[in-house]
Amino acid sequence: KAGVTQTPRYLIKTRGQQVTLSCSPISGHRSVSWYQQTPGQGLQFLFEYFSETQRNKGNFPGRFSGRQFSNSRSEMNVSTLELGDSALYLCASSEATGPQYFGPGTRLLVL
Amino acid sequence: QQPVQSPQAVILREGEDAVINCSSSKALYSVHWYRQKHGEAPIFLMILLKGGEQKGHDKISASFNEKKQQSSLYLTASQLSYSGTYFCGTETGMGSGTYKYIFGTGTRLKVLA
Repeated sequence: KAGVTQTPRYLIKTRGQQVTLSCSPISGHRSVSWYQQTPGQGLQFLFEYFSETQRNKGNFPGRFSGRQFSNSRSEMNVSTLELGDSALYLCASSEATGPQYFGPGTRLLVL
Repeated sequence: QQPVQSPQAVILREGEDAVINCSSSKALYSVHWYRQKHGEAPIFLMILLKGGEQKGHDKISASFNEKKQQSSLYLTASQLSYSGTYFCGTETGMGSGTYKYIFGTGTRLKVLA
């Protein structure tokens, strides 16, 4: 099976802009989770979608939002970008529960 | 709420052993271990369910004490390729409608030649 794919891989934006990141899970996986990771830091949980519904949410401001489509693909949107949003954004998929399989990530740089 | 891993960081020489611990305050259904190499995404290593010890690949194994809500990852005769950050991933609320998957704080491991 093909692995988790994320697009774009790299992105440069300026403060105040918005951005949409995309994640295609492993075929058959219905859960998609999103994480933010800054250099030397752990995995900061953003949210998880399961069967098109947000099942869990982390402690990020409302500028961060997501959605999941009927084919399990997921998008994450960040509005009004701030310098501190510069990070690696990782998505991970799982069947419904169980181990998570990560995509390569999207590196976002906010100038 | 986030599982705490210890130590936060460890430096080893090739051939030495290491133990990484993951401790949760919540009842756990399972524990998973991941390794993330610099500049890459985390890779799933192994799963531990209640009552089981799972032997992984190479000389890496782990245990899960469900009573103490703790898991330990054992790296034996470490190799340079073991360097990276290790995360435990935990499942709680299975079957209760409150399912959560939570990663631990991470342990940075560096193996020196």
